Amino acid sequence: QKEVEQDPGPLSVPEGAIVSLNCTYSNSAFQYFMWYRQYSRKGPELLMYTYSSGNKEDGRFTAQVDKSSKYISLFIRDSQPSDSATYLCAMSADRDDKIIFGKGTRLHILP
Amino acid sequence: EPEVTQTPSHQVTQMGQEVILRCVPISNHLYFYWYRQILGQKVEFLVSFYNNEISEKSEIFDDQFSVERPDGSNFTLKIRSTKLEDSAMYFCATGQQETQYFGPGTRLLVL
Repeated sequence: QKEVEQDPGPLSVPEGAIVSLNCTYSNSAFQYFMWYRQYSRKGPELLMYTYSSGNKEDGRFTAQVDKSSKYISLFIRDSQPSDSATYLCAMSADRDDKIIFGKGTRLHILP
Repeated sequence: EPEVTQTPSHQVTQMGQEVILRCVPISNHLYFYWYRQILGQKVEFLVSFYNNEISEKSEIFDDQFSVERPDGSNFTLKIRSTKLEDSAMYFCATGQQETQYFGPGTRLLVL
């Protein structure tokens, strides 16, 4: 079983829709969970960061972590064409530890 | 907003040549990392660096690779004798406690 699994997509949704992205993981030692956004041939940009289980909201973005199910999600409300990018889930066991990434989901928001 | 910067943005080299990739971290960050992303694949951890020494390295980070912080500001990754399979995007990341911020990357092409 891969350490972090993420559906690569592509996922196409109309502008204004709610987008749901998710990842599963196998390592129960992971405590820190992140979502990064990556545009083509650019570096990952940190979007959301969560420690342990729970929800975190930032504007149109909501991150959820369910450690009992080893499942994390990112919701994007009122999606915009500028949200079109690859979204990487990422996690680590300790605060300064290496980050383990999912493969990324390519998202297209259709105008 | 402070950013991680990397130079060069692109590097083309012949197999067997040495390359040095440079990173300028965000000024108050204490933790430094290198990751790489082969085209179409996930971002992979190479090495972490703290307090002027390597904290952790992956299996990819063999004797051909080295890192240093020569002048207290720049953070460099050296590949001593490049191989074709070293062609990838190399990202520097820097962090303060829980989060890591990525630079724009250096695209390395080994011919």
